[in-house]
Amino acid sequence: QQQVKQSPQSLIVQKGGIPIINCAYENTAFDYFPWYQQFPGKGPALLIAIRPDVSEKKEGRFTISFNKSAKQFSLHIMDSQPGDSATYFCAPLAGNMLTFGGGTRLMVKP
Amino acid sequence: DAGITQSPRHKVTETGTPVTLRCHQTENHRYMYWYRQDPGHGLRLIHYSYGVKDTDKGEVSDGYSVSRSKTEDFLLTLESATSSQTSVYFCAISESLSTIYFGEGSWLTVV
Repeated sequence: QQQVKQSPQSLIVQKGGIPIINCAYENTAFDYFPWYQQFPGKGPALLIAIRPDVSEKKEGRFTISFNKSAKQFSLHIMDSQPGDSATYFCAPLAGNMLTFGGGTRLMVKP
Repeated sequence: DAGITQSPRHKVTETGTPVTLRCHQTENHRYMYWYRQDPGHGLRLIHYSYGVKDTDKGEVSDGYSVSRSKTEDFLLTLESATSSQTSVYFCAISESLSTIYFGEGSWLTVV
């Protein structure tokens, strides 16, 4: 059973565009909703995270939108830059374990 | 960067041989994890530790064992490597659970 479904698998946008990555989950025990960013040859790094008591969180150009009733959350990247080209993972937390989505490979063209 | 060192970073081994990957941390974090990363699967948890000598299984633990005899070291052992264990292995550490830091990965090829 796939607990976390992430879409799309890949995404290409022009510089300045607003890529949106979605994550749908089934486990209602998830209580913390982070997004991780991974560059080639590196480990994932925490980008931004949200708790279920708020519907939106912004940090710089990155925004998480959270819809508890729909069991979905999404990542928006404002004014995207070529340096944002990376793989992004949603990884909701339950207890002391993260459950990763399958990843979205983002390419931002100059 | 969080003080996490994985070794070896790259290894090629033959089917049926034992392999041990080491994760060393300098942060004194309580929790340590081993994940594997394969295309299309994201990262999947193999085993984790919540203290010295305290470990538990993750989602894909079959064929793997772990040990943590010191706070700073978490070892992952493949007792008899198989081709399906060819993967990139990531160690991670955490103190608060809300922030998990990953190492740079160990690339393992089983031929």
